[in-house]
Amino acid sequence: GAVVSQHPSWVICKSGTSVKIECRSLDFQATTMFWYRQFPKQSLMLMATSNEGSKATYEQGVEKDKFLINHASLTLSTLTVTSAHPEDSSFYICSARDLDTEAFFGQGTRLTVV
Amino acid sequence: GENVEQHPSTLSVQEGDSAVIKCTYSDSASNYFPWYKQELGKRPQLIIDIRSNVGEKKDQRIAVTLNKTAKHFSLHITETQPEDSAVYFCAARANAGGTSYGKLTFGQGTILTVHP
Repeated sequence: GAVVSQHPSWVICKSGTSVKIECRSLDFQATTMFWYRQFPKQSLMLMATSNEGSKATYEQGVEKDKFLINHASLTLSTLTVTSAHPEDSSFYICSARDLDTEAFFGQGTRLTVV
Repeated sequence: GENVEQHPSTLSVQEGDSAVIKCTYSDSASNYFPWYKQELGKRPQLIIDIRSNVGEKKDQRIAVTLNKTAKHFSLHITETQPEDSAVYFCAARANAGGTSYGKLTFGQGTILTVHP
């Protein structure tokens, strides 16, 4: 299957700082990328959908000014958690797809805010 | 929007037994139903999927059935093995279009434990 690479795999940051997470499709062009958050023992909750070259569409309840998403090319999307707080600690996973293909997931990023 | 309900939340079976996980969905426009297996701290892995023009699909020990009329689909794992232990998620998706962009809506997950 296609490969989606997400970096970093884990990050620890201080409260109030910002963290950037990258999601790359390595062997296909991803017209759409999705960002999910997963708390322990819970399901994947969609945060936002991004299409290359346009603004991301955020799910209800997700602060767009706090979770900045950029999809500058067909192979790269970034999620920046701004002014992170301990409650933002979670597992963040991206997925990418092209048109009507299945979605491929990145390996996830474990964010811990201290 | 789409709402996907998944049951049971936990399932414990003996090695060799079968396991069945069920999901219901609300949006009749959904036409793609994947199942994912997720091990602790890892990414979800697609194990099988089915499209709405098919009622059943099988891949070795894994099968999925779809009832469009009732809006439910199920995952069947036969001859379970300890390495099948993981969290399983169902999902539903409509075609990309409008504001949906073909996004997946996930069920709540089922923790499957297969005892040796």
